[in-house]
Amino acid sequence: ILNVEQSPQSLHVQEGDSTNFTCSFPSSNFYALHWYRWETAKSPEALFVMTLNGDEKKKGRISATLNTKEGYSYLYIKGSQPEDSATYLCAFNKISGTYKYIFGTGTRLKVLA
Amino acid sequence: DADVTQTPRNRITKTGKRIMLECSQTKGHDRMYWYRQDPGLGLRLIYYSFDVKDINKGEISDGYSVSRQAQAKFSLSLESAIPNQTALYFCATSQTTSPYEQYFGPGTRLTVT
Repeated sequence: ILNVEQSPQSLHVQEGDSTNFTCSFPSSNFYALHWYRWETAKSPEALFVMTLNGDEKKKGRISATLNTKEGYSYLYIKGSQPEDSATYLCAFNKISGTYKYIFGTGTRLKVLA
Repeated sequence: DADVTQTPRNRITKTGKRIMLECSQTKGHDRMYWYRQDPGLGLRLIYYSFDVKDINKGEISDGYSVSRQAQAKFSLSLESAIPNQTALYFCATSQTTSPYEQYFGPGTRLTVT
């Protein structure tokens, strides 16, 4: 059974603070790691897809890194804003030919104004 | 207009009733998925379909069935609903080429009393 773990489960930060959270996944048979942003009452939206060890992706104030050898990815938010409040999900694809996704339970971020 | 739509958005039903959740997409993707989300758990795969003639069980398919009526439509049925099927259900689609990014519908909140 594959496990994808995210930490912390939840956090509160002040507006303007930078923050980061972790997604841990099995390091064997890696194919891709996805990050999604899920606002309450909305659909999860894709942020990044990373496939190569050492990948770094950036979108505005949000960036992500990938270490496939040790099985982790970090998501960073610089200068958090209230609109960044959401649950951030990661999902892991392993090489299996079926391309199924294993999702973590998410990190719930609340940015306080 | 949303690319992935789900109906109904909310439903309350009684134990033993049959219920169908519908998903439609305009993204032209061949791959479609049904997930359920429960508090404290990650998104768990119920069924997936890689094309109209290809239906596969996910990790929690017991008590559910699906129908892929067309490339654009993928329905999930609960033949005899039970209270532990109370959850938030998401439909998703993805491309057949890398990086297999998923696109989610808005979710259906199902309550079985």
